[in-house]
Amino acid sequence: ETGVTQTPRHLVMGMTNKKSLKCEQHLGHNAMYWYKQSAKKPLELMFVYNFKEQTENNSVPSRFSPECPNSSHLFLHLHTLQPEDSALYFCASSQGRLAVPQWETQYFGPGTRLLVL
Amino acid sequence: DQQVKQNSPSLSVQEGRISILNCDYTNSMFDYFLWYKKYPAEGPTFLISISSIKDKNEDGRFTVFLNKSAKHLSLHIVPSQPGDSAVYFCAASASSGGSNYKLTFGKGTLLTVNP
Repeated sequence: ETGVTQTPRHLVMGMTNKKSLKCEQHLGHNAMYWYKQSAKKPLELMFVYNFKEQTENNSVPSRFSPECPNSSHLFLHLHTLQPEDSALYFCASSQGRLAVPQWETQYFGPGTRLLVL
Repeated sequence: DQQVKQNSPSLSVQEGRISILNCDYTNSMFDYFLWYKKYPAEGPTFLISISSIKDKNEDGRFTVFLNKSAKHLSLHIVPSQPGDSAVYFCAASASSGGSNYKLTFGKGTLLTVNP
């Protein structure tokens, strides 16, 4: 039990569908992240939210739209995806800092396996 | 170009022996390093970390060594147990420029511990 949950665990969608991935963390953290892991590639950071503010968009296409309504919840809205977007999507959280950056450990959810047909 | 490299896709060891997983990095700004373990159908689980002010950090059976001049770190597991069989990811971050939260991952090494 990592304290970070993700739903759904598996998702199959067509290129014209709209779907959302949900992440919830029960660790009292203030920073949340979306990562993508494609086949035979390392985990790649997509978005970062720190105290509900987006602080990082790692050149992610606009067909991926994140939303962070509060520090415990993070969504990734998906629309008009492409087959190459099929991958594992992980959510993570960390303590989050308002002031001086410090080394932080990120804790991951179990991931959503997404297949785009 | 990959900034964090795990050049061995897989490693197989006997139960009770030492497992050594290696990781190389190219970005000299990296100053915090982490190891994660991942079982199938689960997310990566934090294992151990080390900052650049140290060259060794130990936690039970797990020890991470950092060689800054060689830009190399390694994870030692002693003694190895069958339950250690998993994919191990090396990750790094840089505290300068406010980017301490950006973890750069390696591709992972699949460790198999044989009974």
